Amino acid sequence: GQNIDQPTEMTATEGAIVQINCTYQTSGFNGLFWYQQHAGEAPTFLSYNVLDGLEEKGRFSSFLSRSKGYSYLLLKELQMKDSASYLCAIMDSNYQLIWGAGTKLIIKP
Amino acid sequence: IAGITQAPTSQILAAGRRMTLRCTQDMRHNAMYWYRQDLGLGLRLIHYSNTAGTTGKGEVPDGYSVSRANTDDFPLTLASAVPSQTSVYFCASSDTTGGDYNEQFFGPGTRLTVL
Repeated sequence: GQNIDQPTEMTATEGAIVQINCTYQTSGFNGLFWYQQHAGEAPTFLSYNVLDGLEEKGRFSSFLSRSKGYSYLLLKELQMKDSASYLCAIMDSNYQLIWGAGTKLIIKP
Repeated sequence: IAGITQAPTSQILAAGRRMTLRCTQDMRHNAMYWYRQDLGLGLRLIHYSNTAGTTGKGEVPDGYSVSRANTDDFPLTLASAVPSQTSVYFCASSDTTGGDYNEQFFGPGTRLTVL
């Protein structure tokens, strides 16, 4: 079967670092995506990993280990505007996205 | 440049009524998708279209139909709405004809309540 697990909710402090984990079991793998979704808005693309390792993009980094079925999204220098849900999605063998339920990140001053 | 537009923004609908959610993109993307998003669940794919004139079923297609007469438009129809179809519906598109990955771009969503 296909399964993607993320923590439901996390809390962090403004200026700090937070790591959001995603574990997966899917039939086929053609890459892992992270999206950000503010409340009441559409998801927007953050990152894509298809090979093992770390991809850095400004304050955000994403890591992938295909052998472990594991990824994380690392957010540095947290800002209040980073309060949002973070969605992990796997592109399966049919090139369709399978989505996790998302992690709601709450940033406190 | 609008990207992807959806209409209506929100709708309250009586059970048993027919409803069409509209989606239009101006990016000339070949692929389009309809998802529903429910609290505590991930986005679930309803139907998709890899190119104009073709459509396919996703994870939760029952009770929904789509058409793709041209590249830009991808309407979703609920033939006879039921309360379990209360959800937020997102349309998305992507260019799957080349490149390293197929980032999906999302419309603003339609919030549908079926009573």
